[in-house]
Amino acid sequence: GAGVSQSPSNKVTEKGKDVELRCDPISGHTALYWYRQRLGQGLEFLIYFQGNSAPDKSGLPSDRFSAERTGESVSTLTIQRTQQEDSAVYLCASSPAGTGEQYFGPGTRLTVT
Amino acid sequence: DQQVKQNSPSLSVQEGRISILNCDYTNSMFDYFLWYKKYPAEGPTFLISISSIKDKNEDGRFTVFLNKSAKHLSLHIVPSQPGDSAVYFCAASARPNNNDMRFGAGTRLTVKP
Repeated sequence: GAGVSQSPSNKVTEKGKDVELRCDPISGHTALYWYRQRLGQGLEFLIYFQGNSAPDKSGLPSDRFSAERTGESVSTLTIQRTQQEDSAVYLCASSPAGTGEQYFGPGTRLTVT
Repeated sequence: DQQVKQNSPSLSVQEGRISILNCDYTNSMFDYFLWYKKYPAEGPTFLISISSIKDKNEDGRFTVFLNKSAKHLSLHIVPSQPGDSAVYFCAASARPNNNDMRFGAGTRLTVKP
């Protein structure tokens, strides 16, 4: 079966532009997570969606970051007015309900010039 | 606030020998721990987990040990194989809030033939 997919795989953008990253979770997985990994650092939690519950946005670093999820399917992470410190690999993961195991996508490498 | 720490950024081991990857945590509320493995250009994949009610969990060549009093866990791979070369992430969460999973910075394991 298909795993978690993310697009684009690489994105280079100019400082100040908006970017939108997409995640397609595994079908049937109710939980969806976004993480960021900066160079040499661990995975930084950004946001979590669980079913129809209100998302946990506690990890979003600023109001330039937002994410949406349509039901239990696709999610988009939007970064407005990108800054150079936003450069990182953005990873999406999905998880079946009631488990702690997350299935990760390959990530989107964002470079802000 | 690095609640999960992997103090060794890299480890090199000879094929056939044991690899020991270490992880320390600071939050005493953590009670569920996972190890993920990541190859270049791919997302992390789940490897093995352990609940705080256990001190050891074994799966084939992989064994995770948990020392709750020391807030320390380790992943043992024996015998190590060249295909084990990857970055290994330690992760921890406090049930039932598994959405708040904290990751370490990772340890790059190189297994030499």
